[in-house]
Amino acid sequence: GAGVSQSPSNKVTEKGKDVELRCDPISGHTALYWYRQRLGQGLEFLIYFQGNSAPDKSGLPSDRFSAERTGESVSTLTIQRTQQEDSAVYLCASSFLNRGPQETQYFGPGTRLLVL
Amino acid sequence: GQNIDQPTEMTATEGAIVQINCTYQTSGFNGLFWYQQHAGEAPTFLSYNVLDGLEEKGRFSSFLSRSKGYSYLLLKELQMKDSASYLCAVRSGGSYIPTFGRGTSLIVHP
Repeated sequence: GAGVSQSPSNKVTEKGKDVELRCDPISGHTALYWYRQRLGQGLEFLIYFQGNSAPDKSGLPSDRFSAERTGESVSTLTIQRTQQEDSAVYLCASSFLNRGPQETQYFGPGTRLLVL
Repeated sequence: GQNIDQPTEMTATEGAIVQINCTYQTSGFNGLFWYQQHAGEAPTFLSYNVLDGLEEKGRFSSFLSRSKGYSYLLLKELQMKDSASYLCAVRSGGSYIPTFGRGTSLIVHP
């Protein structure tokens, strides 16, 4: 596609429910990243995929968070037993992986998650 | 880890010039990015610096001093549409993953 897309754009859920967030990266981008952005805060790194493997999961805040990626395509971020502190915008980005001077990340529009 | 500091908020007048500073502390510096993020939208790439000096791109310029751990984003001839959050992000070591600052909210008024 022309850019990174994410779905749903907004999600309201009840505390304790599971949610699944989807990211479609730019075609051909090997790397895919998930970030969380709380209101008024910077981007908090969650997980990074190189192809369909995740060499860096260091940012996942708890074992309630997991993510997977199919090949060099779609990724899903799953949050189990959601808590109110999970409320945030979840941003996905993708990029090439060529170690060049500009491995620019292209961001999707985000999923706004509200846990009641 | 990395520590990235930016002012929380700045205001400026349409047509003026504004400089947004970013200081960082890191080991193995490997590039600094500036992104623009309008409210409710995704961040978009503005600039990348890995060597000392000034990179100019139209109305926007970005400066880097690696020895001082310092960068700034300079916006000239401000327009109302420049009202947005400006994010500084630093990459270090062999990591592909930049660490983002909290962002500076710029308000441009008439």
